[in-house]
Amino acid sequence: KNQVEQSPQSLIILEGKNCTLQCNYTVSPFSNLRWYKQDTGRGPVSLTIMTFSENTKSNGRYTATLDADTKQSSLHITASQLSDSASYICVVSALYDKVIFGPGTSLSVIP
Amino acid sequence: ETGVTQTPRHLVMGMTNKKSLKCEQHLGHNAMYWYKQSAKKPLELMFVYSLEERVENNSVPSRFSPECPNSSHLFLHLHTLQPEDSALYLCASSQEQEFEQYFGPGTRLTVT
Repeated sequence: KNQVEQSPQSLIILEGKNCTLQCNYTVSPFSNLRWYKQDTGRGPVSLTIMTFSENTKSNGRYTATLDADTKQSSLHITASQLSDSASYICVVSALYDKVIFGPGTSLSVIP
Repeated sequence: ETGVTQTPRHLVMGMTNKKSLKCEQHLGHNAMYWYKQSAKKPLELMFVYSLEERVENNSVPSRFSPECPNSSHLFLHLHTLQPEDSALYLCASSQEQEFEQYFGPGTRLTVT
């Protein structure tokens, strides 16, 4: 069964600190993996997208990694800001098939 | 955000009302989606349209009725809703079904 799991479910960090969010998936055959950021009450916005051959991709202070062998991805946020408070969703696409959304990690950055 | 627009942004309706949510995409995409997101819960896929044909209906109650008149527009017609249908309704589009989805800002629906 194609599934996407994320951990932790929620996370609170101090402003300026780094954090790492995890995503594990069982989707096969794998096409690509994306990380979205969703602010409360708004639609998700894409942060990164990675295909099978890519193992790291950065977007400003956000760096995503992908290990296609272990079917794991991480999203690392550097020097967190209050505006990073949001839900972070891992989304995995199966080749010629569905897009599977993870449950999300709720991040709160506090002063 | 201007690639996919949704109207209205907020809607309050009674259980006997009939209303419609509208989504429009200006990206030339072939696939469009409706999602429901209840408070502090993950996104739930409701409907998928590809080339104006419904390709997926995830066991959604018949009080939700989608319509896709062309590749740029998607509607969600609502009638006799229940209070538990109160949620954020998100529209998304993508070039093809397995490609990256671009989301609209959502419609915050409250059923009283």
